[in-house]
Amino acid sequence: AQSVAQPEDQVNVAEGNPLTVKCTYSVSGNPYLFWYVQYPNRGLQFLLKYITGDNLVKGSYGFEAEFNKSQTSFHLKKPSALVSDSALYFCAVRDFDSSASKIIFGSGTRLSIRP
Amino acid sequence: KAGVTQTPRYLIKTRGQQVTLSCSPISGHRSVSWYQQTPGQGLQFLFEYFSETQRNKGNFPGRFSGRQFSNSRSEMNVSTLELGDSALYLCASSLVGTSTDTQYFGPGTRLTVL
Repeated sequence: AQSVAQPEDQVNVAEGNPLTVKCTYSVSGNPYLFWYVQYPNRGLQFLLKYITGDNLVKGSYGFEAEFNKSQTSFHLKKPSALVSDSALYFCAVRDFDSSASKIIFGSGTRLSIRP
Repeated sequence: KAGVTQTPRYLIKTRGQQVTLSCSPISGHRSVSWYQQTPGQGLQFLFEYFSETQRNKGNFPGRFSGRQFSNSRSEMNVSTLELGDSALYLCASSLVGTSTDTQYFGPGTRLTVL
């Protein structure tokens, strides 16, 4: 069965510093990995995804994520944090199956950027 | 292109009642998925519809049901509401719902059961 873990409930970073939000996954086949962000009282917004190819994936708002197959990780990163990045971040995974549109989400990590 | 829209945005019901939530996908998207978000359980998959057929289903009781119309719009119904059904219900659409498709989410419907 596929699963995804976000080991940190909260990450606190000072504005201008680099940030990392961690995600590890478990799937039986090739993983398809996604990052979403949720602002208060809003739905989820797509940030980026890894399907195949380069291990470093670039996404919206200056975010990027690094796929590491040996460590089964897909950590979200940004070189310089902004206060406006404060939000709830979800990692998600799908197993390889052309008919499976079910996404498994992590528990979420609350990112807090202090001025 | 307009995003995923959900109506209503907020809903208050009492135990035992039933409720219907609506979702209009992005134009051209044929797959619609529904998720329940609660503080305790996080985001959980309810079901997915494609071409008016339920293609995938999560682990929810039969009180939760849905359907999809020929224009890809989808509705979700919850009968005999329980207090634990209070949640944010999110709808997501994608082109055809394959594993590589990106799902785009609506703003959600906040359901409160009293």
